[in-house]
Amino acid sequence: AQKITQTQPGMFVQEKEAVTLDCTYDTSDPSYGLFWYKQPSSGEMIFLIYQGSYDQQNATEGRYSLNFQKARKSANLVISASQLGDSAMYFCAMREPGGFKTIFGAGTRLFVKA
Amino acid sequence: DGGITQSPKYLFRKEGQNVTLSCEQNLNHDAMYWYRQDPGQGLRLIYYSQIVNDFQKGDIAEGYSVSREKKESFPLTVTSAQKNPTAFYLCASSIGLPRGNTIYFGEGSWLTVV
Repeated sequence: AQKITQTQPGMFVQEKEAVTLDCTYDTSDPSYGLFWYKQPSSGEMIFLIYQGSYDQQNATEGRYSLNFQKARKSANLVISASQLGDSAMYFCAMREPGGFKTIFGAGTRLFVKA
Repeated sequence: DGGITQSPKYLFRKEGQNVTLSCEQNLNHDAMYWYRQDPGQGLRLIYYSQIVNDFQKGDIAEGYSVSREKKESFPLTVTSAQKNPTAFYLCASSIGLPRGNTIYFGEGSWLTVV
């Protein structure tokens, strides 16, 4: 069965520094999609970035990049130049083969210090 | 503006009562989903629907029911059979490829059983 693992319950980072949030996944299917979402304290889930399993390059969206290591089955999120507004929960997710079910990890809470 | 609207934002229910959470989207998305989130935890899939008049159970469907009579609407009923319904409920919808069926979320509904 497919599984997403986020091993860091909480992370601290100094404002303006970069931070990496870890995510590993398990699937036996060669075709899948990986996602990261941000959940501020207000509760809404905000889509950040997507990586397809066949994409040759790592995905980037502004200050967010996804460090995709297919052989290691890892999809770490890198946030550059952290801002106070980045303080939130971050969830890694994987779209199951077939495309309609997405499973989520337990999340990592990021605290950005001034 | 296009988006996913959930209502109500906050809902209190007495034990033994059914309650229906509304979810409407104007993104012209085919697929819609309901997730449940408990404090400090990730998201778990309750139900999903790929097309009108069709829906499938997710991982925790017991005590819940849904309908999909219109493409734009996917209401969730939390029945009295749900033993622990107090949680945060998120509705979502998804586009097709090539964005990899990225799921976009509403702002969520907080349900408290009193």
